[in-house]
Parts: sequence; C-alpha cells; structure tokens
Amino acid sequence: EVQLVDSGGGLVQPGGSLRLSCAASGFTFSSYWMSWVRQAPGKGLEWVANIKQDGSEKYYVDSVKGRFTISRDNAKNSLYLQMNSLRAEDTAVYYCARHHLACYDYWGQGTLVTVSS
Amino acid sequence: QSALTQPPSASGSPGQSVTISCTGTSSDVGGYNYVSWYQQNPGKAPKLMIYEVSKRPSGVPDRFSGSKSGNTASLTVSGLQAEDEADYFCYSYAGSNNWVFGGGTKLTVL
Repeated sequence: EVQLVDSGGGLVQPGGSLRLSCAASGFTFSSYWMSWVRQAPGKGLEWVANIKQDGSEKYYVDSVKGRFTISRDNAKNSLYLQMNSLRAEDTAVYYCARHHLACYDYWGQGTLVTVSS
Repeated sequence: QSALTQPPSASGSPGQSVTISCTGTSSDVGGYNYVSWYQQNPGKAPKLMIYEVSKRPSGVPDRFSGSKSGNTASLTVSGLQAEDEADYFCYSYAGSNNWVFGGGTKLTVL
C-alpha cells in the first residue's frame, strides 16, 4: 500500500526557518517525481515545488523561489522541503504528493505550518 | 501562474447531474491534455478523481467523468449521491515546468 507521511510543521516566527519531511513507503520512491502542495486556511490548493526522480531537476512556484528548497534522499525514501525567510502568507497545510502522469495520485495527510509572531 | 477559474459553488439534488467548469488559457488548459480533478472533504487530503482530462483511476465511480473544450475543462458528476458533497479542484500543466490549480468549487447535494 502506498503511504506518504508528512511531518515537521509547527509555529515559526516571520523570517524563521522550518524543514518539512515526507516518508514514503509501498512503492519504488526513486522512480517518481515528487511534489509539495500547500493549502492556506480556508483557501484553495497551490503547487509549491517538484523534484525529478534523481533530484537533478527542481521547479518552484514564483512566490517561494530563493526561499524554499525541495530535496530528496532516495536511500531513505524521503522527501524534504527546507523553508527559509518564512512569511505570514506561507501559513498553510503542506502536503507531499506523488506526481505521476501529470497528476497527483497519492497524497500525504498534510502538516500545518503557521508563521506568526 | 494565475489560478484557473472555477465557480465557487455548484449544487444538485440526489440522482441529478452537475457539471463543474475550469477555465484557463491556451497556455495551460487549452494547450495540454494534462488536466486532472481532485475531491477534498473537510480536514482531509485531496483525492484524485480524473487525470489526463478524462481518465478515471481505478476505484473512482464511473459517475465521474471529465472533458475539455478549448480552454475550459469540465467535471461531470452523474447520479449525484450525498457522499459526493465536497470541494473539487482542477489542475493543469501551464508550460515551462509550471503547474496551476483552480480556485475550487464547493459541491452541495441538496
């Protein structure tokens, strides 16, 4: 059974940093693009970042470029999102998701990031 | 990277059909057959319902169907059931390794 378990969220002050993790199981992690998608409270979904199977290609939504870094460790079946210079508008539930056939076929349960003083 | 346009709400009675639209541009919806749809219940992660415009993953009822005409994609739910009440989001490739979601539609079963 495919499982994605998100962790690492919490309360952080503006300008602070946080690292999210996603533990994958039940499939060959190294064979798939992976992504982070976020959802601000009461709002819609927003694609944040993608990473290729071997980590050689990474893409970001404009609003996080230069502040967020997506990475993966295929030996540990894990996906990460390093978030720096956090802003109030980054407050959201962050989901990791498997990106396959131009869609997200499996999602984590989400982890809440709150940026507030 | 502007969000795709969806109606904020849609509704129908049990047994009826309802269609939710997702309007973009020739640079996203109209330019690629990479539109997918997601169902989200409160407090839960989204669930894939349709991919590549009209394909249904295994386990999704055939009451759910997708289509596209020009720059507008559509999700149709036939034979509405109470369990279909949820938020629905469309998603499309937008070129140059960019991806965009719609704003979401709240479907109410009357």
